[in-house]
Amino acid sequence: AQTVTQSQPEMSVQEAETVTLSCTYDTSESDYYLFWYKQPPSRQMILVIRQEAYKQQNATENRFSVNFQKAAKSFSLKISDSQLGDAAMYFCAYDTQGGSEKLVFGKGTKLTVNP
Amino acid sequence: NAGVTQTPKFRILKIGQSMTLQCTQDMNHNYMYWYRQDPGMGLKLIYYSVGAGITDKGEVPNGYNVSRSTTEDFPLRLELAAPSQTSVYFCASRGQTYSPLHFGNGTRLTVT
Repeated sequence: AQTVTQSQPEMSVQEAETVTLSCTYDTSESDYYLFWYKQPPSRQMILVIRQEAYKQQNATENRFSVNFQKAAKSFSLKISDSQLGDAAMYFCAYDTQGGSEKLVFGKGTKLTVNP
Repeated sequence: NAGVTQTPKFRILKIGQSMTLQCTQDMNHNYMYWYRQDPGMGLKLIYYSVGAGITDKGEVPNGYNVSRSTTEDFPLRLELAAPSQTSVYFCASRGQTYSPLHFGNGTRLTVT
């Protein structure tokens, strides 16, 4: 079974600085998708970014980018120019080729942004 | 466009009681999911459905039941509530595999 590991339960960053959240996963598949979701204190789950495993290029969305290392099974999220509104729980998720049922989530990293 | 709507937002149950968590989506999505979120444990899949009339178990189905009589609705039934079912429950949907999930706002359930 696929597993997703987020080794940093908590992280903190100064406003305007850059922070990287780590995620590793275990799989024997060659084609899959990876996601980062953000959960602010409001509890709403918000998609941050998506990466397709067969694409070499790392995905970016404004201040958010990923470092996808397929051979190492690593999928880290970099947040540049951190803002107070970035404070949240961040979840890494793996989506198998079977797709419909197997979106597996990590345990999350709590990000604090200090003014 | 309401997206995914969950009701209620909060609920307190006594041990042994039953209840249904409602979930409806207006995006005509085939795939629907129920997750539970325990502190420090991420999200675990309870049940999912790939279309009306089709449901299947996820990672933690014990103590729960679901039905999918329409594309829009995917209620989660708790029978004989136990303290271990205290959690935040999320319903989610998506139109096709590999698409991002659309989440509801969650239901915080406490069983005492």
